[in-house]
Amino acid sequence: GAVVSQHPSRVICKSGTSVKIECRSLDFQATTMFWYRQFPKQSLMLMATSNEGSKATYEQGVEKDKFLINHASLTLSTLTVTSAHPEDSSFYICSASQGPIFQETQYFGPGTRLLVL
Amino acid sequence: AQTVTQSQPEMSVQEAETVTLSCTYDTSESDYYLFWYKQPPSRQMILVIRQEAYKQQNATENRFSVNFQKAAKSFSLKISDSQLGDAAMYFCAYKDGDMRFGAGTRLTVKP
Repeated sequence: GAVVSQHPSRVICKSGTSVKIECRSLDFQATTMFWYRQFPKQSLMLMATSNEGSKATYEQGVEKDKFLINHASLTLSTLTVTSAHPEDSSFYICSASQGPIFQETQYFGPGTRLLVL
Repeated sequence: AQTVTQSQPEMSVQEAETVTLSCTYDTSESDYYLFWYKQPPSRQMILVIRQEAYKQQNATENRFSVNFQKAAKSFSLKISDSQLGDAAMYFCAYKDGDMRFGAGTRLTVKP
């Protein structure tokens, strides 16, 4: 149980375009979803936290107008990178937890590799 | 802000031997959770083990066990009988709301 999927697994886009990444909890209802960014050979950096039906909470330094997060249902969250630039190229990972943000283990998706040309 | 420190960028272990990965963290909270995640080359994050701070007993999961020292804010992972499939990046994580990760330790297992 506790499977999280992401789509697409890999995407290449031109500079200036927008890219949407989907994160789904397949066998549980995800009260809270998290979006991380991971550069090569580095750790995961939290970008934002979203609760179903609420606005996302962004970490300091993360542009909310550039990285649009929508958590419209208990099984789906989307991250849209708007007007993508080459420096946005990275590995994006989502995770989801079932219960209150404090208590629950986070289950991670397989990640999405974004390359902006 | 809470910080998580993994002081060993790389570790190596002989197959079937035991290895310990270190992790320390900084917090002023009394209730929190600690995790070890494994990230193989596929980059899928896999939960290895979790520890609740209010529990004194160290968590164990088969060949994986932790040494949780709350006063010292230390949370090391011991892998016994290492297998080739254990080779991966290992991340220590702290959670009292959102989850924060250490920089990771790359574990190599030598046959």
